[in-house]
Amino acid sequence: AQKVTQAQTEISVVEKEDVTLDCVYETRDTTYYLFWYKQPPSGELVFLIRRNSFDEQNEISGRYSWNFQKSTSSFNFTITASQVVDSAVYFCALSEARTGNQFYFGTGTSLTVIP
Amino acid sequence: GAVVSQHPSWVICKSGTSVKIECRSLDFQATTMFWYRQFPKQSLMLMATSNEGSKATYEQGVEKDKFLINHASLTLSTLTVTSAHPEDSSFYICSAWGMRGSYNSPLHFGNGTRLTVT
Repeated sequence: AQKVTQAQTEISVVEKEDVTLDCVYETRDTTYYLFWYKQPPSGELVFLIRRNSFDEQNEISGRYSWNFQKSTSSFNFTITASQVVDSAVYFCALSEARTGNQFYFGTGTSLTVIP
Repeated sequence: GAVVSQHPSWVICKSGTSVKIECRSLDFQATTMFWYRQFPKQSLMLMATSNEGSKATYEQGVEKDKFLINHASLTLSTLTVTSAHPEDSSFYICSAWGMRGSYNSPLHFGNGTRLTVT
């Protein structure tokens, strides 16, 4: 079974619009970690955020914000006032305490911001 | 911050030859390194986990004789694609887990290697 589901395969928005990328995860562990990574066309993975299962406080970093809801097993990512440079593939990932260092990646959401 | 260097960034080779990809942790000791493969427009698929000084653990479906992984030191892991074929063409990414971090620290990723086998 897929541990991390990113239902949105591709999203296109016009510059300055807000956009939310969905992430739903599945785990039986009580201790786990959730991540978002950005992969621009050049290919490298850029770390955006890590959130542990005991911290449901939402986080804002500039134009980025994350909404962690354990009740719905979701960890959604919102970009406010999107810019062309935000165009990339975004991956949500899960790491479980039980399996240690192994990461489970979602299938990614390709975001295109149209100028 | 921690940096993982992956080399080469891209390589083109002829079918039947072998290619070695290096993954180095530049400012921390990487006890565990991971190798991922990514096909175009797809997610990262874990190929193997390597711990320094021991044999790599391969994921199901990954040929260990095809993809040789060596993790001889705390700063270097290598992936060798042996007798490469066009279907091995892909984007390969390494990541490292540092001793400075706890197990829940973010993975540090290399910039990836784009392999094209002609």
